[in-house]
Amino acid sequence: GAGVSQSPRYKVAKRGQDVALRCDPISGHVSLFWYQQALGQGPEFLTYFQNEAQLDKSGLPSDRFFAERPEGSVSTLKIQRTQQEDSAVYLCASSYGQASAYEQYFGPGTRLTVT
Amino acid sequence: AQSVTQLGSHVSVSEGALVLLRCNYSSSVPPYLFWYVQYPNQGLQLLLKYTTGATLVKGINGFEAEFKKSETSFHLTKPSAHMSDAAEYFCAVTQRVDMRFGAGTRLTVKP
Repeated sequence: GAGVSQSPRYKVAKRGQDVALRCDPISGHVSLFWYQQALGQGPEFLTYFQNEAQLDKSGLPSDRFFAERPEGSVSTLKIQRTQQEDSAVYLCASSYGQASAYEQYFGPGTRLTVT
Repeated sequence: AQSVTQLGSHVSVSEGALVLLRCNYSSSVPPYLFWYVQYPNQGLQLLLKYTTGATLVKGINGFEAEFKKSETSFHLTKPSAHMSDAAEYFCAVTQRVDMRFGAGTRLTVKP
């Protein structure tokens, strides 16, 4: 595909359920980022991968959040025992290089609603 | 620590008028600065970025921004607004990999 894709686009989960959000980055992009965007707010950094290595997970809000990128391409963000405060749009972005000056290309996001 | 402040959560202009969206940042080292645009139900699209070199940066769709170190600002401008410019705009700063975004400014363009 030409851009970053995310699935599902919309997810409704009952409080306490586990969810898994998928990100397909642009082919060949080394870096992958996850962000959380609450309603009316800017995106908040969650975690960063360089190939398969998770180099920064300082933004993950709790140990219920877990991300992986086992083969250095597709990534999954998993949220265990979802809470209402987890309701947000989860954005994935990828970039070609390792340096922060490279442009990040964003996917359309997954809107998670926890009821 | 780095952070971004966008002054004005909503800006309304008439079609053809000047667009000015304000962004101030704080950073302990020279930052990389970005402006992104977000249309409803879509991801963010890069408008322009400043890394090094010329402080006046030109981007897509006629937008430009000027990095002013003395004012710690990176305001976004466009000489003449178009209806299609109506969207949410985010200023962002990064020093390493964790990009910090402002809260966003919603631009409305009146006919």
